[in-house]
Amino acid sequence: DQQVKQNSPSLSVQEGRISILNCDYTNSMFDYFLWYKKYPAEGPTFLISISSIKDKNEDGRFTVFLNKSAKHLSLHIVPSQPGDSAVYFCAASGSGNTGKLIFGQGTTLQVKP
Amino acid sequence: DTEVTQTPKHLVMGMTNKKSLKCEQHMGHRAMYWYKQKAKKPPELMFVYSYEKLSINESVPSRFSPECPNSSLLNLHLHALQPEDSALYLCASSHGGYSNQPQHFGDGTRLSIL
Repeated sequence: DQQVKQNSPSLSVQEGRISILNCDYTNSMFDYFLWYKKYPAEGPTFLISISSIKDKNEDGRFTVFLNKSAKHLSLHIVPSQPGDSAVYFCAASGSGNTGKLIFGQGTTLQVKP
Repeated sequence: DTEVTQTPKHLVMGMTNKKSLKCEQHMGHRAMYWYKQKAKKPPELMFVYSYEKLSINESVPSRFSPECPNSSLLNLHLHALQPEDSALYLCASSHGGYSNQPQHFGDGTRLSIL
């Protein structure tokens, strides 16, 4: 039973345009959500997070939106750059899980020059 | 540069060998984690240490034995592994053993079992 789902295995966008990566979850106990970026041969790099008490969090080119009623979150990257090409994982944790993160399957983003 | 350092970067071992993976962080974090990642899959949690005590074991086989000698170090001792244990092993740390804190990952150890 996959509690965190990223339904798009891949996404291709043009440099300078917006990239939108989506993530759905099923467990209503999740209260903290994160996005990680992963390059080949490296570990995941933390990008941005959001608590369930918020619906938006912004950090530079990265914005995460949370829709609790739909159990959906998205990561917007504006403007997209070729260096953003990587695998993006969303992850979730709940107050009862003591730091346990549940990851989605990942979306491979390709930003074309 | 990652602030979580894992050694070795690559490890090849036979099924009868004993080896250890090491992880070190100097960010003052008090929670440390081991994850396993297979190709084309997301990381899966194995163990959580909170304040140097094991707080979560995700039903990991006993051939994997974690150890937290102090707040900066985390080891994973390996013995009698199987070929299906070949994977990327990731270490992570966070401020405390609770949610609402991002985990920061090392670059992993790529383990191959012959």
